[in-house]
Amino acid sequence: DGGITQSPKYLFRKEGQNVTLSCEQNLNHDAMYWYRQDPGQGLRLIYYSQIVNDFQKGDIAEGYSVSREKKESFPLTVTSAQKNPTAFYLCASSESGIGTEAFFGQGTRLTVV
Amino acid sequence: GENVEQHPSTLSVQEGDSAVIKCTYSDSASNYFPWYKQELGKRPQLIIDIRSNVGEKKDQRIAVTLNKTAKHFSLHITETQPEDSAVYFCAASWGFQKLVFGTGTRLLVSP
Repeated sequence: DGGITQSPKYLFRKEGQNVTLSCEQNLNHDAMYWYRQDPGQGLRLIYYSQIVNDFQKGDIAEGYSVSREKKESFPLTVTSAQKNPTAFYLCASSESGIGTEAFFGQGTRLTVV
Repeated sequence: GENVEQHPSTLSVQEGDSAVIKCTYSDSASNYFPWYKQELGKRPQLIIDIRSNVGEKKDQRIAVTLNKTAKHFSLHITETQPEDSAVYFCAASWGFQKLVFGTGTRLLVSP
């Protein structure tokens, strides 16, 4: 069940702390994405990257930051500016081009304590 | 930007019945419409997709239809089985792979 790996599976954070979620893929995909999943709200796009050293804000980027220094890696930092960070975070990747399947990681459940 | 609405939010059927989930999208430029299935505690996985140059696509018990004029697309599952129970998400994309998802439908198939 390889391909795209997120770690850790569960993460607890104290209020006011930044935390970084890891996402690594060995599928040689150019595009990578971060989604947030809340009950009843589907998957909302936080950030996406089409190529190394480039990324764009999604619909709910406030309070989050990303980097794409390597093709294989797209870490997400949840900053203290994110007012409601408790959620399930999903990373995905896809080949470049229009209309290609997105492969998801197993997710990270972040809880603020 | 693109907005995708999905209905119903929950759907309960008896085993063997058909299930239909509907989605509408707002951006007429959207040209790729995948459907994902997410079982409890697992990652979403693609089950079927359709492109804007096709009106219908089938894969065994599942099918997707697309009405570009009305900007809606639907997932049809026939002869439902308990293992079909999951949350189903529709999505739409345009340009370069900016997938926008619907809010999900929780399907429960009772034996």
